[in-house]
This record gives sequence, C-alpha cells and structure tokens, in this order.
Amino acid sequence: GQQVMQIPQYQHVQEGEDFTTYCNSSTTLSNIQWYKQRPGGHPVFLIQLVKSGEVKKQKRLTFQFGEAKKNSSLHITATQTTDVGTYFCAGQNNQGGKLIFGQGTELSVKP
Amino acid sequence: EAGVVQSPRYKIIEKKQPVAFWCNPISGHNTLYWYLQNLGQGPELLIRYENEEAVDDSQLPKDRFSAERLKGVDSTLKIQPAELGDSAVYLCASSPGTSGYTGELFFGEGSRLTVL
Repeated sequence: GQQVMQIPQYQHVQEGEDFTTYCNSSTTLSNIQWYKQRPGGHPVFLIQLVKSGEVKKQKRLTFQFGEAKKNSSLHITATQTTDVGTYFCAGQNNQGGKLIFGQGTELSVKP
Repeated sequence: EAGVVQSPRYKIIEKKQPVAFWCNPISGHNTLYWYLQNLGQGPELLIRYENEEAVDDSQLPKDRFSAERLKGVDSTLKIQPAELGDSAVYLCASSPGTSGYTGELFFGEGSRLTVL
C-alpha cells in the first residue's frame, strides 16, 4: 500500500538556523498537504500543493512539490522558538480520498 | 465559527472496559474522519465518512471498534473491550471536500485514552 516517509525524525537547531524536512511517497500523489502540531496540540493545516514542481511560500516557510509528484519538502529560514513542533506531510494518491500522513519531523529550537 | 469539538479530552479506563468518544464536526462539513495517533507518530486513518456513509473503514479493527455517524452530523467511536495497546490519542477531523478532493482537514483537540 501507499507509504509516506519523512526525514529526519528529529531536528534540533539553534534559533536563527535554517530547517528542512523531506517527505517521500512510494506512489505518485495527486496532492500533498503539510500540517504543524505544537506539543500537546492537534495538527493544524499549513498548505496544500497540487501542481508538479510547485513552490509556495508563507513568510519564512517554503514548500516544494517534486516534479514527479512523489516528494516534497518544507524549509524554514531563520528558525524562531515559535516554530517548535512536529511537522507532518500528508499525501493523497490518485486513486481515492485517503490522506496518508508521514511520521513527522519534530523540530526543537534552542534560544 | 466553532471548530471540531471532541469529548472527552481525557479518559482513563481499565483493560476490557468499553469507551466511547464523541465528535461534532464543523457545520456544513460533509466528510468526517477518525484518526489514531500514537506518541511520536503521524495520524493513522481509522474511518472516513461522507455524510452518513462510511466510505473507508479498511483500517478500523472491527472486532472491537465501531463507529457511527447518524444523520450525517456528529459521530461516535466506540471500543469494546479496550486493550492496553489502544492507549493513544483519537483525533476527529472534518473537511468540506469529498473523495475526489480532500482539501484541508480541520482537527479537533483529540481524546487521549489511557488503558491500564
């Protein structure tokens, strides 16, 4: 079945450093979503990418969808303590509505 | 506008006891999801409803888990009997989309279950 893998599992950075998490799917995706979950909280939607090679930016966050629509990345420039949390990608395949979540990348930021 | 509402937030039970979780989705959202989230893992889909129809319950352990969405609005998820391995956070989410295009999921705060 479809699998969505994320790396790294954990990332510890100094405030001001950049951060990137990568997401890879075993199958071609129709779209990919990214969510952020703060410690003790619930996943909150960040963005959805649909087009091959698409790049979207939200302030310091840059999201990319691969040309083959099987991988994606989230890059945070100059991390802040407010960026702390776990970032999940979630992919929807071409054959139905099931959204498969990756295992997440937990980001900690040292002030 | 109210978000997805779940109750209870926390539940502690002994193994073999039953437990039920309730979810009220955002008004007008046709699709409702129940996800299971273990510590350090991503949410895993248990069941998806479109209105009152369960369109994907392939990951629901039907020997002990059951769910319903009467009238296509709120939903309950039941476990009977609970096992130690069921300890997790049960997340409810809703979206206005249908199976062809999921769109953004709106999650509730979750129900944290501890089975002793």
